Amino acid sequence: EVHLVESGGGLIQPGGSQRLSCVASGFIVSGNYLTWVRQAPGKGLEWVSIIYSGGQTSYVDSVKGRFTISRDDSTSTLFLQMHSLRVEDTAIYYCAKGKVGAALDSWGQGTLVAVSS
Amino acid sequence: EIVLTQSPGTLSLSPGEKATLSCRASQSVYNRFLAWYQQKPGQAPRLLIYGASSRATGIPDRFSGSGSGTDFSLIISRLEPEDFAVYYCQHYSGSPWTFGQGTKVEIK
Repeated sequence: EVHLVESGGGLIQPGGSQRLSCVASGFIVSGNYLTWVRQAPGKGLEWVSIIYSGGQTSYVDSVKGRFTISRDDSTSTLFLQMHSLRVEDTAIYYCAKGKVGAALDSWGQGTLVAVSS
Repeated sequence: EIVLTQSPGTLSLSPGEKATLSCRASQSVYNRFLAWYQQKPGQAPRLLIYGASSRATGIPDRFSGSGSGTDFSLIISRLEPEDFAVYYCQHYSGSPWTFGQGTKVEIK
C-alpha cells in the first residue's frame, strides 16, 4: 500500500528557511514523479514543484529561486527546501506522486507551514 | 501558463440528482492530460479522473469525465451523501501545472 507522510512544517518568521520532508513507502520513488502542492487557509490548490523520475525539476514562478525540490532514493524521501519565506507562503503543503500521463494518484496528509512574525 | 476556469463556483443539489461540473482551459490541454480531484474538509485531495475520462482505482462508476481541447466536464450521475465536497480540475500537460479554483457541491 502506498503511503506518503510529510513533516517539517511549523511557524517560521518572514525571511526564514524551512525544509519539508515526505517519506514514501509502497512504491519505487525513482520510478515515479513526485510533487509538492500547497493550499493556503480556506483557498484552493496550488501546484508548487515537481521532480521527475530522471531528476528533472520544475517550479511555479512564485517560488523559483527560493525553493528547491530534491529526493533521496536510498531513503525514499522527498524534500522541499524553502528559503526567503513570505507570509503568502503560508499553507498546508502536500506531497503527491504520479506516473506520466496518470496525474497525482496518491497524496500525503499535509504539513502546515505558517509564516508570520 | 494554462489558466483553468471552473463553473459553477457552487452547485446546490439534492442526493440522487445529477451534477455537471465544467472546466475550461485558456489553451488546449495536450493529450487530454486533465484530471479531477475531490477534496473534503480536513482531508487531502483524492484523484477521481485522469486523462480526461479514465477513472482512478476504486472510483465508483457514477463519476465520469469527458472533453478535449479546452472544454472538460465531470459528471456525477446520482449524488450520494459522501459526494458533497469541493472538486478541482488540474492539467499536467506541461509546466507549470495548474488547478482550477474549485467547484463546491453542497446539499440543497
